[in-house]
Amino acid sequence: DAGVIQSPRHEVTEMGQEVTLRCKPISGHNSLFWYRQTMMRGLELLIYFNNNVPIDDSGMPEDRFSAKMPNASFSTLKIQPSEPRDSAVYFCASSPTPRAFNYGYTFGSGTRLTVV
Amino acid sequence: DAKTTQPNSMESNEEEPVHLPCNHSTISGTDYIHWYRQLPSQGPEYVIHGLTSNVNNRMASLAIAEDRKSSTLILHRATLRDAAVYYCILRLPNDYKLSFGAGTTVTVRA
Repeated sequence: DAGVIQSPRHEVTEMGQEVTLRCKPISGHNSLFWYRQTMMRGLELLIYFNNNVPIDDSGMPEDRFSAKMPNASFSTLKIQPSEPRDSAVYFCASSPTPRAFNYGYTFGSGTRLTVV
Repeated sequence: DAKTTQPNSMESNEEEPVHLPCNHSTISGTDYIHWYRQLPSQGPEYVIHGLTSNVNNRMASLAIAEDRKSSTLILHRATLRDAAVYYCILRLPNDYKLSFGAGTTVTVRA
């Protein structure tokens, strides 16, 4: 299994531009998560999908952030317009189930976003 | 939410065991204890989890105190590849959230 695949690996963009991050979860995993990691705030959950439906988006920082999961094998996180403070590493993770008792989450390698 | 407390950093020599402590004095009876690690420039990686009994897998062992107020992740023979930040996380059975703290930064000396 190739694991959780994220693209691009690095993204540098100018302030005000639209940025789209992509994630392909592990086949058969029903739960998908987007996390953001910064030095100041550590790892934060942005949004959680279960069976392609957004369940909890309370971690999405502003309306500039949006996420979609059009099918079980693809998700996007979009920032429009981007700002320098959005610079961070964004991780996607998937799990067969969100339940804690039997499964860990598999994370992708992340997208390092730099907004200049 | 029940909180965990971990040392900021630990050092170990290669091929020696590493014992990573985690205190969770306010743990509830149904909280699972999960451990993840994050190698440099990579995403977090699931290591192990348990509820009451000690657990072993190919990566590590998890020793849980009888009162469950603390636990210890044991890396039996540290390698340079084990240098990472290790996170101890409590999760309720039906809780989908993984809440990461600052973790313990493990350095392995050759």
